[in-house]
Amino acid sequence: NAGVTQTPKFQVLKTGQSMTLQCAQDMNHEYMSWYRQDPGMGLRLIHYSVGAGITDQGEVPNGYNVSRSTTEDFPLRLLSAAPSQTSVYFCASSYSAGYSYGYTFGSGTRLTVV
Amino acid sequence: DQQVKQNSPSLSVQEGRISILNCDYTNSMFDYFLWYKKYPAEGPTFLISISSIKDKNEDGRFTVFLNKSAKHLSLHIVPSQPGDSAVYFCAASGPTGANNLFFGTGTRLTVIP
Repeated sequence: NAGVTQTPKFQVLKTGQSMTLQCAQDMNHEYMSWYRQDPGMGLRLIHYSVGAGITDQGEVPNGYNVSRSTTEDFPLRLLSAAPSQTSVYFCASSYSAGYSYGYTFGSGTRLTVV
Repeated sequence: DQQVKQNSPSLSVQEGRISILNCDYTNSMFDYFLWYKKYPAEGPTFLISISSIKDKNEDGRFTVFLNKSAKHLSLHIVPSQPGDSAVYFCAASGPTGANNLFFGTGTRLTVIP
C-alpha cells in the first residue's frame, strides 16, 4: 500500500515555464487536496477535490490549475511559473466521511523557480 | 489572516519531561482539531485529533486539550523522547461540507537527550 505518491521530488523551473506536479493515491479516498508550505506561513490550501470531476479553489489558487478525472489522480499544473511559486508542495487525501482519520500526505515536491 | 496560530516557533525540552505545544484559533465555526507531526523531507503525519464536543483526547503519550471558550488547544507529550523532535502543526476544520483544513505555522520541538 503506497499511500500518497508525489512526483517529482525536486524540480527547478525557469520563470514562465509550465509543469505538472503529479499526485496519486491508492486508498480509494474521495477527498484530495494540494497545499504549499512556505517559511513562516504554515501549509496553505491551493485547490481541493471532493471526488472525481469535482474541484474547487482553496486559499491561494492563483497561478495553478487542477483536474480530477479519476479517483486516484489529482495533478497540479503551474501555468506560467513565477519565483513566488518557489515552495514545497504537498498533496493530501482523506476519506470523505468525517475527519477521524486525518489526512494522509505525500512526501512533497520541492519546487524552485529561477 | 491566519485563522490558526502557533505563536511559539520553537520549543526545547529535556528527555523525560513534558512538552506542551499551544495553538489558538479565531474562527468559532471550527469544530474539529488535529495535530500533525513533520520530519524533514517528509510529509506531515496525523498524530491526534479532537472534536469540539470533547475537551480532552488521549492516545498513549499524547494528549490534546481543547478550551473552546478561549479558542485554544494544546498538545501534551509525556514523557518526551528524542524521537519526538519534529515540527508540530495544529490544524482545524469547520462544517463547510468539505474536509479543508487550516494549518498553523508550526512549532519545532527539540527533545534533548
